[in-house]
Amino acid sequence: NAGVTQTPKFRVLKTGQSMTLLCAQDMNHEYMYWYRQDPGMGLRLIHYSVGEGTTAKGEVPDGYNVSRLKKQNFLLGLESAAPSQTSVYFCASIQATSGRAYTDTQYFGPGTRLTVL
Amino acid sequence: QKEVEQDPGPLSVPEGAIVSLNCTYSNSAFQYFMWYRQYSRKGPELLMYTYSSGNKEDGRFTAQVDKSSKYISLFIRDSQPSDSATYLCAMSPRSNDYKLSFGAGTTVTVRA
Repeated sequence: NAGVTQTPKFRVLKTGQSMTLLCAQDMNHEYMYWYRQDPGMGLRLIHYSVGEGTTAKGEVPDGYNVSRLKKQNFLLGLESAAPSQTSVYFCASIQATSGRAYTDTQYFGPGTRLTVL
Repeated sequence: QKEVEQDPGPLSVPEGAIVSLNCTYSNSAFQYFMWYRQYSRKGPELLMYTYSSGNKEDGRFTAQVDKSSKYISLFIRDSQPSDSATYLCAMSPRSNDYKLSFGAGTTVTVRA
């Protein structure tokens, strides 16, 4: 049981390049999230998914796209990277069966450190 | 103005001291409050949660909520070097709202 894994762990891009971050979970969780974490800003929700084939925008969705074709995978795409997207990206998943967000643990991946030059 | 404000610190205390962390918030609809702990270069993990106002204790950790002041606190008693981490508060307006609002996180170092 690997939990939540993220690929890659580190990446350096040039402005305008594109890339895809992969999140995978083996816990059969329904909900998955993509956050970015910046100094002094905390975790900000980019996009999320409440089930296979569904996606929704979070707090800071501009410049990102996502897809959830398989329940266990949640992909985050940057079509044309900008320096403002330099950040640490975290994926999280949650079973969300109890209906109690405060007790259902969000399981976070180890993060992807992205630098855009 | 951010919905959730948290002093990023850093906070440095000697081993055995009491660590006091807090967050303020502006959205009066928040009812569910959580504290996450994040070790360096790791993802956050749920530490404690509370509902509405009051106190909750779990071992060396105590969480307090004062909804009238829109203020929540986390206290760590008898702090240990292993408590060195970033602590993030998180909040939700409804029990089934899984989109949490996070504070910026406070970095704590406990010196041996």
